[in-house]
Amino acid sequence: DAKTTQPPSMDCAEGRAANLPCNHSTISGNEYVYWYRQIHSQGPQYIIHGLKNNETNEMASLIITEDRKSSTLILPHATLRDTAVYYCIVSPRGAAGNKLTFGGGTRVLVKP
Amino acid sequence: GAVVSQHPSRVICKSGTSVKIECRSLDFQATTMFWYRQFPKQSLMLMATSNEGSKATYEQGVEKDKFLINHASLTLSTLTVTSAHPEDSSFYICSARDPPRGHRTDTQYFGPGTRLTVL
Repeated sequence: DAKTTQPPSMDCAEGRAANLPCNHSTISGNEYVYWYRQIHSQGPQYIIHGLKNNETNEMASLIITEDRKSSTLILPHATLRDTAVYYCIVSPRGAAGNKLTFGGGTRVLVKP
Repeated sequence: GAVVSQHPSRVICKSGTSVKIECRSLDFQATTMFWYRQFPKQSLMLMATSNEGSKATYEQGVEKDKFLINHASLTLSTLTVTSAHPEDSSFYICSARDPPRGHRTDTQYFGPGTRLTVL
């Protein structure tokens, strides 16, 4: 599976948009970009995933560059409860390929 | 999203005993479940892939005789840590694959985790 690179940490202000970058320059054509987050002492929470089109759901938006080598997760209005470690993962779809390899993630601290 | 539960959420046991952790998909059938382990201040590490009705596939370095996995139904997988030792103390997390439906691709959902402390 392709590797991802994320900044180790970032702070953002409550109520503002949080933009979390992820590089995945070796992504292959059948690999999806998944985002999860892990709040302290809990299991990871699914946020969003996409292949090449931008995606939006009730939690976040995912912007994938045209060459698919990087993406940005956008939390439109960060709250204190969004403080967590955010993981960007690339993985092929399908039963055999849905292993998720977690890297270090980005530790996001939302400040009042 | 889909719901995955784990039981127990927290367990303390004596060295040498065995501990069973259950993982259930509550509102979908999961042919594939995964078991992860997370040590303090580290990321999740995949231990094994569990397929309903067949033997689990273990990642390199994970002892299959120590970490017994059973996936007897489409909604339940169990992880048994046999002869647990203090170095097995960790946060164990399961996930379940919610298969594709219509245009929606498959997605993996995680349980809340089980904190194991071996004295």
